[in-house]
Amino acid sequence: QKEVEQNSGPLSVPEGAIASLNCTYSDRGSQSFFWYRQYSGKSPELIMFIYSNGDKEDGRFTAQLNKASQYVSLLIRDSQPSDSATYLCAGTSGTYKYIFGTGTRLKVLA
Amino acid sequence: GAVVSQHPSWVICKSGTSVKIECRSLDFQATTMFWYRQFPKKSLMLMATSNEGSKATYEQGVEKDKFLINHASLTLSTLTVTSAHPEDSSFYICSARDWLAGGLRTDTQYFGPGTRLTVL
Repeated sequence: QKEVEQNSGPLSVPEGAIASLNCTYSDRGSQSFFWYRQYSGKSPELIMFIYSNGDKEDGRFTAQLNKASQYVSLLIRDSQPSDSATYLCAGTSGTYKYIFGTGTRLKVLA
Repeated sequence: GAVVSQHPSWVICKSGTSVKIECRSLDFQATTMFWYRQFPKKSLMLMATSNEGSKATYEQGVEKDKFLINHASLTLSTLTVTSAHPEDSSFYICSARDWLAGGLRTDTQYFGPGTRLTVL
């Protein structure tokens, strides 16, 4: 069974801090990984994707991928209350389907 | 960025009726679209993969006769919930596959805004 695992949280961080969201996956064949943000009652919104080992930065967001450890993370710098949402990690499953984690709920405290 | 629309955004219907939900990719062609449902505070559950010009592929446990999917063009897929019952009430979300996202050959799914279905 191919799985993507995330801690459900909630992860609480103070405003201005760095939020670190983690994800592990079981399928070594997974090539690409995606982070989505989902506000309550809304659909997921793509934040960024990563497919090479290392870091990828986009504004306040940095995705990190370590294929040897089968680990993906998302760092959010200068966290804002508007970042409070559920963050979904997804990996490709060898086809074009995604395997989604259950999501981590982030709370940024003002 | 890639934009996906869904219509309607919400619908209330009586038990036993059918409801059609449309999913459109507005600024790119999507040979593949996906249909998900999501219950409150739960993760996304993939229902089916919709391929343009061919039959949809349903996930295990999803009734293909109840959830009819048609992918008539490169920008439109529809999901029809037939003979809806209260247990079909859920948040239905489509996504469209853009395999050339941002010029990079990386399969990326862009989600529509979702349709909230309530069956009375």
